[in-house]
Amino acid sequence: EVELVESGGGLVKPGGSLRLSCAASGFTFRSYSMKWVRQAPGKGLEWVSSISSSSGYIYYGDSVKGRFTISRDNAKNSLYLQMNSLRAEDTAVYYCARGGVGTTESHYDYWGQGTLVTVSS
Amino acid sequence: EIVLTQSPGTLSLSPGERATLSCKASQRVSSSCLAWYQQKPGQAPRLLIYGASSRATGIPDRFSGSGSGTDFTLTISRLGPEDFAMYYCQQYGSSPDTFGQGTKLEIK
Repeated sequence: EVELVESGGGLVKPGGSLRLSCAASGFTFRSYSMKWVRQAPGKGLEWVSSISSSSGYIYYGDSVKGRFTISRDNAKNSLYLQMNSLRAEDTAVYYCARGGVGTTESHYDYWGQGTLVTVSS
Repeated sequence: EIVLTQSPGTLSLSPGERATLSCKASQRVSSSCLAWYQQKPGQAPRLLIYGASSRATGIPDRFSGSGSGTDFTLTISRLGPEDFAMYYCQQYGSSPDTFGQGTKLEIK
């Protein structure tokens, strides 16, 4: 059974940093692209970042470009999101999601339960 | 970036009725790279439809997707009580991936 479990969320002050992790199991992690998607309280879904299976292709949304870094460790079946220079508008539930085999151009077929990041002084 | 506009914003229907949700794109969505997700309060989104019309694994056949180009539709043929939720469309054919603002399907 495919499972994605996020961790690392919490309360951080504006300008601070946080590193999110997503532990994957139940599938061949190294074969799939992976995504981060966020949802601000009471709002819709916003794509944050994508990474291809071998980390050769990485993309970011304009709102996080230059501040967030996506990475993965295929040996550990893990996905990461390093978030720096955090702002109040980054407050959201962050989901990791599975993309397609070998390509970042894909729907998201499995999602984790999400981890809440709150940026506040 | 491709902007997706969903309508209506809220749809009030009764169990057993048919629901039709619309998603219109500001530009053509390539290769019908259009998906639909269902989200219930406090839960992660769940994939319903991908490729505009293919049902995801385990999705009942009362859910169907159609459309191409810039106009897409999610139809739920007979609403069950578990179908009342938020629905989002998403395009993944052109970077950045974008989502519609959502349609809330509520019990009338």
